[in-house]
Amino acid sequence: GESVGLHLPTLSVQEGDNSIINCAYSNSASDYFIWYKQESGKGPQFIIDIRSNMDKRQGQRVTVLLNKTVKHLSLQIAATQPGDSAVYFCAENGLWAGNNRKLIWGLGTSLAVNP
Amino acid sequence: GAGVSQSPSNKVTEKGKDVELRCDPISGHTALYWYRQSLGQGLEFLIYFQGNSAPDKSGLPSDRFSAERTGGSVSTLTIQRTQQEDSAVYLCASSLDRTPANEQFFGPGTRLTVL
Repeated sequence: GESVGLHLPTLSVQEGDNSIINCAYSNSASDYFIWYKQESGKGPQFIIDIRSNMDKRQGQRVTVLLNKTVKHLSLQIAATQPGDSAVYFCAENGLWAGNNRKLIWGLGTSLAVNP
Repeated sequence: GAGVSQSPSNKVTEKGKDVELRCDPISGHTALYWYRQSLGQGLEFLIYFQGNSAPDKSGLPSDRFSAERTGGSVSTLTIQRTQQEDSAVYLCASSLDRTPANEQFFGPGTRLTVL
């Protein structure tokens, strides 16, 4: 069905370590992918995106990797800080049944950074 | 304001009552989305408005749910005869339009509790 799943519902890391959050998507026709961060009590906030014609994109301390062969997306956070503690959502945008373009959200991974 | 605003921030109601949730999108954003997020869960798409086009209501869970967007700006999500399973955070987001590259900006959400 239409779904984007996450390998790990929770992730706990030490401050200063690198974090990797994984996401499996289901639609091979998806051509745009987004990572959002949601802090407690707030709405999701855009982190980084990537188009399907790329396999890697870097931002400030974050890198998104896209493997279209296995329909896998990952978010890497370098030197994880306490302020990175949040729920991270991946989302895929593509054409679905009925030639409708939709943005489908994953369930989220909770990242806890230990001082 | 600079961002998406939602009101009220919290709403407690009794089962069977109607509720109205308001969203003020970012000025100039033509696309507006409503999502529902249950505790510890991902985002569930409800409805999408784009300019003067007919809204995409494909995510509304039942006919008790409806939404309007007046003048292409403010939107109201109405839930009639509320049920306990309607308890969730209702998030509104806006973007410039629905093309893939346009980031969605989220409001802080309205936490609805149905007793």
